[in-house]
Amino acid sequence: QQQVKQSPQSLIVQKGGISIINCAYENTAFDYFPWYQQFPGKGPALLIAIRPDVSEKKEGRFTISFNKSAKQFSLHIMDSQPGDSATYFCAAPRPGKLIFGQGTELSVKP
Amino acid sequence: DGGITQSPKYLFRKEGQNVTLSCEQNLNHDAMYWYRQDPGQGLRLIYYSQIVNDFQKGDIAEGYSVSREKKESFPLTVTSAQKNPTAFYLCASSIGPRGMEKLFFGSGTQLSVL
Repeated sequence: QQQVKQSPQSLIVQKGGISIINCAYENTAFDYFPWYQQFPGKGPALLIAIRPDVSEKKEGRFTISFNKSAKQFSLHIMDSQPGDSATYFCAAPRPGKLIFGQGTELSVKP
Repeated sequence: DGGITQSPKYLFRKEGQNVTLSCEQNLNHDAMYWYRQDPGQGLRLIYYSQIVNDFQKGDIAEGYSVSREKKESFPLTVTSAQKNPTAFYLCASSIGPRGMEKLFFGSGTQLSVL
């Protein structure tokens, strides 16, 4: 019943590089697409979200790009840092709940 | 300090035993959720509650039960019917029931089978 497909499952990037994580959704109740960041042993926390009246949203080094016709959105982390090493989840809303992707484990090497 | 408190942090279950995971929030949020996290499978929704004394099944509710008698509390019971309970369990809350508000997560409970 997976309605949000996320890739890649894992990603290794050198410090200073660009990390790119992709998500595809089948359908959604609302136009709202968040990304959550999770460090080991902790719960996820909202990182950045987009409402697709725009095709891109940037907050610092983090950017969401959205393609409504393709039902895809992606997270770009510019100038990746070792402190960005975490698991990242995309999500799509359904009535009363959020459905999450499978997660991407990002490792940024110094 | 507002937030979500999950306890215990680690829990061990014996065969045939029911165990209950605690989740308390002091954010005055209406909606609460339970997710299960397994490696490579992301976060899967077990149960959610949009208001006191009401809750709905998520995608993987079999073998679990919940109650929502108080706004601030949403305990999850893992019953003996759940044959593969080993996982990291996350409780979350949001200000409203629409499913698109920001979710606040607790720090999780790691459940293992003895």
